[in-house]
Amino acid sequence: NAGVTQTPKFQVLKTGQSMTLQCAQDMNHEYMSWYRQDPGMGLRLIHYSVGAGITDQGEVPNGYNVSRSTTEDFPLRLLSAAPSQTSVYFCASTRLGDYGYTFGSGTRLTVV
Amino acid sequence: KQEVTQIPAALSVPEGENLVLNCSFTDSAIYNLQWFRQDPGKGLTSLLLIQSSQREQTSGRLNASLDKSSGRSTLYIAASQPGDSATYLCAVWTGANSKLTFGKGITLSVRP
Repeated sequence: NAGVTQTPKFQVLKTGQSMTLQCAQDMNHEYMSWYRQDPGMGLRLIHYSVGAGITDQGEVPNGYNVSRSTTEDFPLRLLSAAPSQTSVYFCASTRLGDYGYTFGSGTRLTVV
Repeated sequence: KQEVTQIPAALSVPEGENLVLNCSFTDSAIYNLQWFRQDPGKGLTSLLLIQSSQREQTSGRLNASLDKSSGRSTLYIAASQPGDSATYLCAVWTGANSKLTFGKGITLSVRP
């Protein structure tokens, strides 16, 4: 099925560990982005990309890295996990222009 | 800076009622507005997308309207059902290289 696929669905990390959250879309969307969702804070943009090789920071980029080597994939890397990064992470994509966003099902991350 | 507000944060109604969920935004220079549904522990499902040139969109029992000049959108749910219980989020997009700005959502509970 066409859509945005995120893996893993759940992850527990120890403080200081690193990991990569995977995101892939098969709709040939140029625009991809990562959000985190926290109670009372809503959804906040971490990083986004408007095409392969192009990335930029969102509202809350500290502690996260991204790269976009292909149109399909947009992984999010946590460099050294902290308890403050406990959250639900969503990847989203859209075509540039007046189109709606498609979201993945999310990754629930707990940092202990 | 674009800000999106959804009030109230929670709403409880008996089954069968017609509902209006409100969304307001501060910057009228938007490309589109999207309504999402989120069930507990799940991802975001797109309900309706309204382009900046449109006034409303309909899908089944749902109707969304947009008034750009006043910075308002409403989501109308006809003949509410317990299965409509979820959190409803509105989000605006102001174009390429900018983020999708979300409201904090309205948590709807429809009582049988």
